Amino acid sequence: AQTVTQSQPEMSVQEAETVTLSCTYDTSESDYYLFWYKQPPSRQMILVIRQEAYKQQNATENRFSVNFQKAAKSFSLKISDSQLGDAAMYFCAYQVQGAQKLVFGQGTRLTINP
Amino acid sequence: GAGVSQSPSNKVTEKGKDVELRCDPISGHTALYWYRQRLGQGLEFLIYFQGNSAPDKSGLPSDRFSAERTGESVSTLTIQRTQQEDSAVYLCASSSRRKETQYFGPGTRLLVL
Repeated sequence: AQTVTQSQPEMSVQEAETVTLSCTYDTSESDYYLFWYKQPPSRQMILVIRQEAYKQQNATENRFSVNFQKAAKSFSLKISDSQLGDAAMYFCAYQVQGAQKLVFGQGTRLTINP
Repeated sequence: GAGVSQSPSNKVTEKGKDVELRCDPISGHTALYWYRQRLGQGLEFLIYFQGNSAPDKSGLPSDRFSAERTGESVSTLTIQRTQQEDSAVYLCASSSRRKETQYFGPGTRLLVL
């Protein structure tokens, strides 16, 4: 069965600094997608970034970038120049290509210190 | 355009009562998903609809849970004879046929007393 593990229940960072959130996953599939979602207190799950497993190049979205290590089954999220609005729960998720459900990790609560 | 919407935003019910939760997907999205999020946990898949195909119900935790969707529109998740362990946030998501990314609604927070 596919599993997603986020080993950091909580992280904190000073405003304007860089923070990295860890995620590892377990799968025997070769074609899949990986996602980072942000969930602020409003409960809305917001897509931060998406990575296709067949792509070697790491995905980037403005201040957000990933370090995708397929062999190690690792998918970390780097947030540069952290802003107060980045404070939220961050969830790593996995989806087999062609499948339906997302498999989520337990989440990392990110606090931004002013 | 409008995102995924869910109603009600919050629901408090008594143990043993039935509840119905509603999800309006993004217009044109053929796929619709329901997830459950218990306090402090990640999301658990419940059920998936794709067009007129038979739904994937593999995540439903018991036969007290059911869901319906008419065509590619609104979906309702029904929980019968609610139990305290059903207390959670129920999130709905939709995606288009051509892209895998799921877009989520704001969820319904259910509290069973």
